[in-house]
Amino acid sequence: DAGVTQSPTHLIKTRGQHVTLRCSPISGHKSVSWYQQVLGQGPQFIFQYYEKEERGRGNFPDRFSARQFPNYSSELNVNALLLGDSALYLCASSSGGPGQGAHGYTFGSGTRLTVV
Amino acid sequence: GQNIDQPTEMTATEGAIVQINCTYQTSGFNGLFWYQQHAGEAPTFLSYNVLDGLEEKGRFSSFLSRSKGYSYLLLKELQMKDSASYLCAVWRNQGGKLIFGQGTELSVKP
Repeated sequence: DAGVTQSPTHLIKTRGQHVTLRCSPISGHKSVSWYQQVLGQGPQFIFQYYEKEERGRGNFPDRFSARQFPNYSSELNVNALLLGDSALYLCASSSGGPGQGAHGYTFGSGTRLTVV
Repeated sequence: GQNIDQPTEMTATEGAIVQINCTYQTSGFNGLFWYQQHAGEAPTFLSYNVLDGLEEKGRFSSFLSRSKGYSYLLLKELQMKDSASYLCAVWRNQGGKLIFGQGTELSVKP
């Protein structure tokens, strides 16, 4: 079975540009969460989507948005990129909803975004 | 507020035992997780504690004391492949999220 797949694996963008990152969850998983991991730090929660609705949001500016599609895949969008947005963006999928814990929470390998 | 602290770096010798500590202060707690992350790779699940006590899984054990806001990950019979970052994370049902510490970079020397 395929795990959580993210695309692209690496990306270089210029300040002010827009970026879209994609995530396909494990088959049968209905929940997708996004995390930002700056080099040398732990991941920080950005969003959780369950059944195509936003169920949780971290402390990130409105430049960050996301959505989940009927097939449960998800996109993370970041507008007006800043140098500080350079990070590894991780997607995690799980079968359960927001109240069902992080069991079966599987991370993808991430998208490495570099803003220059 | 929420704060999770763990040492930045640790070094240990192959075959030895190492304990990585984690202290937390969060406004909500629904379980504590440990993940292993090799450079450039995804975090992988190691252990989960929701009740006080020790959970053992092969060479890895994790302990939790909720009253003290304290956990540790114990790695026995260290191998070179255990060199990685170890992430302590608290699960909060509200908002459905993991709150991570900064990670402990473990180097295993021969």
